Amino acid sequence: NAGVTQTPKFQVLKTGQSMTLQCAQDMNHEYMSWYRQDPGMGLRLIHYSVGAGITDQGEVPNGYNVSRSTTEDFPLRLLSAAPSQTSVYFCASSYSRPAYEQYFGPGTRLTVT
Amino acid sequence: AQTVTQSQPEMSVQEAETVTLSCTYDTSESNYYLFWYKQPPSRQMILVIRQEAYKQQNATENRFSVNFQKAAKSFSLKISDSQLGDTAMYFCAFTGNTNAGKSTFGDGTTLTVKP
Repeated sequence: NAGVTQTPKFQVLKTGQSMTLQCAQDMNHEYMSWYRQDPGMGLRLIHYSVGAGITDQGEVPNGYNVSRSTTEDFPLRLLSAAPSQTSVYFCASSYSRPAYEQYFGPGTRLTVT
Repeated sequence: AQTVTQSQPEMSVQEAETVTLSCTYDTSESNYYLFWYKQPPSRQMILVIRQEAYKQQNATENRFSVNFQKAAKSFSLKISDSQLGDTAMYFCAFTGNTNAGKSTFGDGTTLTVKP
């Protein structure tokens, strides 16, 4: 089991560029989420999905798009990067019960200049 | 909407001593789950312990235990016999039963264990 994988690990973008952060899990988890972590702060939910074809907004969705065409993959798209999106991004997955813990990927450190 | 508050941004403890990290939350749900996650300098998030709100008994995992006070909406983490490897950022998290795909995290407490 690879668990939750994220690519790339590091990325530098210029303002206005777009890109996709990849996330995949091989645990057959129904739920997947994207968080951002700013320095000295906790994780803030960007978007989440409760199954293939179903996504919903979290706390800070503006500037990001997601889709979930398969159970395994949950890519996060930055439409037009802004310096305010400089952050560490984590993808997480879990089984479809609130009792279950989330498994996190290693994170992507994104810098927007 | 749920909120999770960790009022101690930083704490330190001597090796082998005991430390307690605080967490309070606010929710209108009656059934929910609370978690403590650890994030060491490697950045990898790891589950430390979980508590089901309907269980009165406090959860325990080896040196880690919680003090869950449902009426006060308080969920503190006690680390006994602190070890250098416990140095990390600790996050309290809430997941409600009505929308289990959506979790709320606190801002974290940075714990330093001193030799």
